[in-house]
Amino acid sequence: AQSVTQPDIHITVSEGASLELRCNYSYGATPYLFWYVQSPGQGLQLLLKYFSGDTLVQGIKGFEAEFKRSQSSFNLRKPSVHWSDAAEYFCAVDRYSSASKIIFGSGTRLSIRP
Amino acid sequence: DAGITQSPRYKITETGRQVTLMCHQTWSHSYMFWYRQDLGHGLRLIYYSAAADITDKGEVPDGYVVSRSKTENFPLTLESATRSQTSVYFCASSESSSAGDGLFFGEGSRLTVL
Repeated sequence: AQSVTQPDIHITVSEGASLELRCNYSYGATPYLFWYVQSPGQGLQLLLKYFSGDTLVQGIKGFEAEFKRSQSSFNLRKPSVHWSDAAEYFCAVDRYSSASKIIFGSGTRLSIRP
Repeated sequence: DAGITQSPRYKITETGRQVTLMCHQTWSHSYMFWYRQDLGHGLRLIYYSAAADITDKGEVPDGYVVSRSKTENFPLTLESATRSQTSVYFCASSESSSAGDGLFFGEGSRLTVL
């Protein structure tokens, strides 16, 4: 069965520090990959997506993610976090290019230490 | 404002009662979705709709009913609420069936079933 794993439930980083959130998936072929962010009390917002080509993708709010086929990973990074980045982050995978087939990870909650 | 609006944002009900969560979008997106968000599970698809009068089951459809008589509205009904349906419900839309466009989410409806 398809699965998406976000191994870190909660991460705390200091403001200004770098960030990396992990995401692994379990498919043989390269699926479509997404990162969404959910601010407190809000819906999810698309940060970035990967379909093919350059394995380093840039997103909104200064985030980037790198697809590594050999590791079946799609980790999200930011060089310097801001207090406003405190939110829940969801990795999502779609194997069939179909919005109804998107599988979401269980999320990583990011807290920012002043 | 354009976008997706959900109502009510918060609802408390009792076991056995019928509850309807409303979702309205102003983009004229063809596809609409209902997800539930539970701790440790990420988002799970309940139902989706490809167009007016076309709906289909997602991963966790039991206990829910949807309809879509107009493109802009996609209500979700719990005909006889159970405690296990206590959750945060998100409506989303997409311009096409392709996951490449990303999903646009409402702010969520928090439902508590006592």
